[in-house]
Amino acid sequence: GQNIDQPTEMTATEGAIVQINCTYQTSGFNGLFWYQQHAGEAPTFLSYNVLDGLEEKGRFSSFLSRSKGYSYLLLKELQMKDSASYLCAVEDSNYQLIWGAGTKLIIKP
Amino acid sequence: DVKVTQSSRYLVKRTGEKVFLECVQDMDHENMFWYRQDPGLGLRLIYFSYDVKMKEKGDIPEGYSVSREKKERFSLILESASTNQTSMYLCASSRLAGEVETQYFGPGTRLLVL
Repeated sequence: GQNIDQPTEMTATEGAIVQINCTYQTSGFNGLFWYQQHAGEAPTFLSYNVLDGLEEKGRFSSFLSRSKGYSYLLLKELQMKDSASYLCAVEDSNYQLIWGAGTKLIIKP
Repeated sequence: DVKVTQSSRYLVKRTGEKVFLECVQDMDHENMFWYRQDPGLGLRLIYFSYDVKMKEKGDIPEGYSVSREKKERFSLILESASTNQTSMYLCASSRLAGEVETQYFGPGTRLLVL
């Protein structure tokens, strides 16, 4: 079956760095997405990885290892507004997104 | 900017009622999707459409139907609402079918079925 695993909840301190992991087992692989979702709002696109390695975009970076079925989202210089859920999703061979349940990130002052 | 709008943010319906959820996108996207989101679960795909009048079942189509009469509009229909359909419903669109494309989401409709 298809499966995306990510931690349910993480807590970090304002100004610190946090890494949110995602492991996946899917039927084929056409890329991995990270989305951010604030409480009560729609998910918004953060990053996309299809090749192994690190993609950096400001304070956010995303890493992919296809051989390990593994990705992480790295958030630096955490701000209170980063408190949200972070959703990992893999595009399978049918171009369908398989979604993880999301990681709720709590930022403390 | 892509804009995806949904007809209601909150809805309360009674068991057995017919429920219509509407979604409109303004960027001429080919693909449109309906998901439901429940606590502790990932987004689950109900139906999607890659062209006008075309529809495909997702992972959980039972109890739902859809309509896409115009490219910009994708409707989700609950023929006879049940309490287990209480959920957050999210509509999304993406530019091209059969390609890896970012999905853009509407604000969601929180449906309560009593």
